[in-house]
Amino acid sequence: QKEVEQNSGPLSVPEGAIASLNCTYSDRGSQSFFWYRQYSGKSPELIMFIYSNGDKEDGRFTAQLNKASQYVSLLIRDSQPSDSATYLCAPYEKAAGNKLTFGGGTRVLVKP
Amino acid sequence: DAGVIQSPRHEVTEMGQEVTLRCKPISGHNSLFWYRQTMMRGLELLIYFNNNVPIDDSGMPEDRFSAKMPNASFSTLKIQPSEPRDSAVYFCASRATGEGYGYTFGSGTRLTVV
Repeated sequence: QKEVEQNSGPLSVPEGAIASLNCTYSDRGSQSFFWYRQYSGKSPELIMFIYSNGDKEDGRFTAQLNKASQYVSLLIRDSQPSDSATYLCAPYEKAAGNKLTFGGGTRVLVKP
Repeated sequence: DAGVIQSPRHEVTEMGQEVTLRCKPISGHNSLFWYRQTMMRGLELLIYFNNNVPIDDSGMPEDRFSAKMPNASFSTLKIQPSEPRDSAVYFCASRATGEGYGYTFGSGTRLTVV
């Protein structure tokens, strides 16, 4: 059974600070990852896809992949109250033929 | 692009009744996924299709659940008979082929079985 684990939180962060989220995975074959954001009562939306060749930055978001320790992280810089949501991690497994299995998600609360 | 369209948005039904959830994927996306989300179990993959063909239905909880994709623009998830423990939000998602293409989710159907 391939496992994807995330701290459920909530991760409380003051406005303007950096939120750091981690996702650990059990399958060493997982080389790339999706990060999704889900607001309460809404559907998940894609915020980042990181390939096997390392870090990726997109605006205030930075994804980092640590293959040796089998975790991928998401940093949210200058956190805003609008970043309050649940963040879901999912490894992309090409061998699994498009199948995407999500972690349980980390709830982030950004306090003004 | 209208995105992934799901209907109905909300469904309340009595235990034992048949429930049919519908999904229209994004045109050109050749993979379609049905997920279920609950507080206890998170976001679970139920079944997915590639080019209208079911590839993996190992997440379908019981024989009461069935899914079809008769063509590239339509899929259904049916529960017969429904039970209170089926209450959840059901999401449909679609995706184009290729690494890096994101999965686009529909707005979901909130199912309540009483």
